[in-house]
Amino acid sequence: DAGVIQSPRHEVTEMGQEVTLRCKPISGHNSLFWYRQTMMRGLELLIYFNNNVPIDDSGMPEDRFSAKMPNASFSTLKIQPSEPRDSAVYFCASNLGGGQGYTFGSGTRLTVV
Amino acid sequence: GNSVTQMEGPVTLSEEAFLTINCTYTATGYPSLFWYVQYPGEGLQLLLKATKADDKGSNKGFEATYRKETTSFHLEKGSVQVSDSAVYFCALTANTGNQFYFGTGTSLTVIP
Repeated sequence: DAGVIQSPRHEVTEMGQEVTLRCKPISGHNSLFWYRQTMMRGLELLIYFNNNVPIDDSGMPEDRFSAKMPNASFSTLKIQPSEPRDSAVYFCASNLGGGQGYTFGSGTRLTVV
Repeated sequence: GNSVTQMEGPVTLSEEAFLTINCTYTATGYPSLFWYVQYPGEGLQLLLKATKADDKGSNKGFEATYRKETTSFHLEKGSVQVSDSAVYFCALTANTGNQFYFGTGTSLTVIP
């Protein structure tokens, strides 16, 4: 298995632009998580899905952020419009559930200028 | 509620020194406990885990024992190497759900 695949690895965009981050979880994993990591706030859970259904989106910072999981093999995190304070590394992770460990992707480093 | 508290960093050690990174937790029910490691520029990787009291997780020379009486899961290694330089995260998942709760991370630097 190729693991959790995220794209792009790096994204630089101008303030106000729409940004879409993509994630392909490990086949067979039924839970998917989006995290944001910054030096100031550390690792923050944004949203997670079980069986493609959003379970907890209380970590999504603002309405500018949205996430979808149209099927078991794909999820997107969208920021519209983007702001400089959104600059961070965004991680996707998946697991089988039942207390099993997460597998993280390599992350997308987003820079909003 | 569920939470994890781990020791503040950064930690700097000489090669071959003994490492301890403290982690304590608060949880409802009987959680599973984990240590993750993040190398520079990479995502978090599972290092070891323990799913019930008195279990010892181990991997790559690292160990941690699930201590229910002290609600702790301290990470130890007898002799660290330069390649162990990374950020270490303690985490738990409660048996009532699938969400993980991470500590703030402890940065370790090992100098030759």
